[in-house]
Amino acid sequence: DAGVIQSPRHEVTEMGQEVTLRCKPISGHDYLFWYRQTMMRGLELLIYFNNNVPIDDSGMPEDRFSAKMPNASFSTLKIQPSEPRDSAVYFCASSFRDQETQYFGPGTRLLVL
Amino acid sequence: AQSVTQPDIHITVSEGASLELRCNYSYGATPYLFWYVQSPGQGLQLLLKYFSGDTLVQGIKGFEAEFKRSQSSFNLRKPSVHWSDAAEYFCAVRGTGRRALTFGSGTRLQVQP
Repeated sequence: DAGVIQSPRHEVTEMGQEVTLRCKPISGHDYLFWYRQTMMRGLELLIYFNNNVPIDDSGMPEDRFSAKMPNASFSTLKIQPSEPRDSAVYFCASSFRDQETQYFGPGTRLLVL
Repeated sequence: AQSVTQPDIHITVSEGASLELRCNYSYGATPYLFWYVQSPGQGLQLLLKYFSGDTLVQGIKGFEAEFKRSQSSFNLRKPSVHWSDAAEYFCAVRGTGRRALTFGSGTRLQVQP
C-alpha cells in the first residue's frame, strides 16, 4: 500500500491567496483526520471525517478554513484567505474503524508570506 | 478534557545508553495511549500503543512502554539507544469516545556518538 498521500509537500504563498491541501487516505480506511503542527501549539486536530462525513470540526481555527471529503479516497483542506499565522505543517491521517492506529501522511509544509 | 504532558522538551543520551521518555496523561477513564516518532521532515510513525491488558507493551525498533494507572503515566523506554533513534517523540491519548488524538508537546532526542 502506498500509505497516506498528501500534496503538495511544500507550498509557499502570499498572504490573501487561497491555499488547497490534498489528501488521499489509505484504501479501505473510513476515518480521515487533519492535524496541524506549529512550534507554538504543537500537534492539534483540525477536523476529522467518518465515512466522508465531518464528525468533529471543533479544531478548525475560523471561517477561513474549510475541509471537504467528496469521496472515500480524497479530502481537501482549504484556507481562504491565507495569513502568515497559518504557516505550519499540515498532516493528514487515516484509520480503519476496527483498528485504533492512525497512519500519517508526510505532511504539507505551508509558508504564507 | 483529555491532556498529555511530556515534561522533557529535549534529551541527550549517548549511543548505547538506556532511554526513558516521560509521558503523563489526564483522562477520566482508561484511555488509549500511543507513542509516535517523527524524524526531521517526515510524518509520524507509530511506535506502540496501549488499549488494555498487559501494562507493558512492546513496539517497533526495540521500544517498550509501561502503563501505570496510579501515576497516570505511559513512559517510553529503550535499553540501548542507536544513533538512528535521534528524532522527536510524541505521546498521544485518545478517549474511548472521540476518535481524534491529543498529543503532548513532544520530546526531542539527541544521540551522542
